[in-house]
Amino acid sequence: KQEVTQIPAALSVPEGENLVLNCSFTDSAIYNLQWFRQDPGKGLTSLLLIQSSQREQTSGRLNASLDKSSGRSTLYIAASQPGDSATYLCAVRPGQAGTALIFGKGTTLSVSS
Amino acid sequence: ETGVTQSPTHLIKTRGQQVTLRCSSQSGHNTVSWYQQALGQGPQFIFQYYREEENGRGNFPPRFSGLQFPNYSSELNVNALELDDSALYLCASSSTGGAYEQYFGPGTRLTVT
Repeated sequence: KQEVTQIPAALSVPEGENLVLNCSFTDSAIYNLQWFRQDPGKGLTSLLLIQSSQREQTSGRLNASLDKSSGRSTLYIAASQPGDSATYLCAVRPGQAGTALIFGKGTTLSVSS
Repeated sequence: ETGVTQSPTHLIKTRGQQVTLRCSSQSGHNTVSWYQQALGQGPQFIFQYYREEENGRGNFPPRFSGLQFPNYSSELNVNALELDDSALYLCASSSTGGAYEQYFGPGTRLTVT
């Protein structure tokens, strides 16, 4: 059974710091992996999607990497800003294209000015 | 391009009642998935609809049911509401083929008293 774990559960950093959020999954047979951002009480915003054949994806100050063999993904945020404060969720799609996403519990990030 | 929309935004119901939540998928998307997110947890997959038929279901009892309409919009129905059904209900749409990236709506906050 696929399980997704995110460490740490919460993180507080001063503005301008570079940071890394971690995601691990138990079964390496995944179709793809998505990182999402969620503001309090709101829906999910897709940040990056990495296909199983890819090693990383970049969008602006965000970079996500995928190491399928070790069951790990990292989300790197460069030069953090107070507006980055939110919960970041990692989700894997097991095996096939049509299967449902399996989520971790998220990392809640607070960036202070 | 219109994103995923959900209605209502908030809802308060009494234990034992029935509720219907609605979702309009993003333009061009033919697959709709529903997730339940309890406070402090990652979203949990309820079920998925493709071509008006359920084609995947998570570990939820039969009192959770759904529909997909020819225009790809969808409903989630929950009968005999329980206190533990209080959660944020998220709808996500995607298109078959390609990356199968999921796009989420803003969610419906259901409170059962």
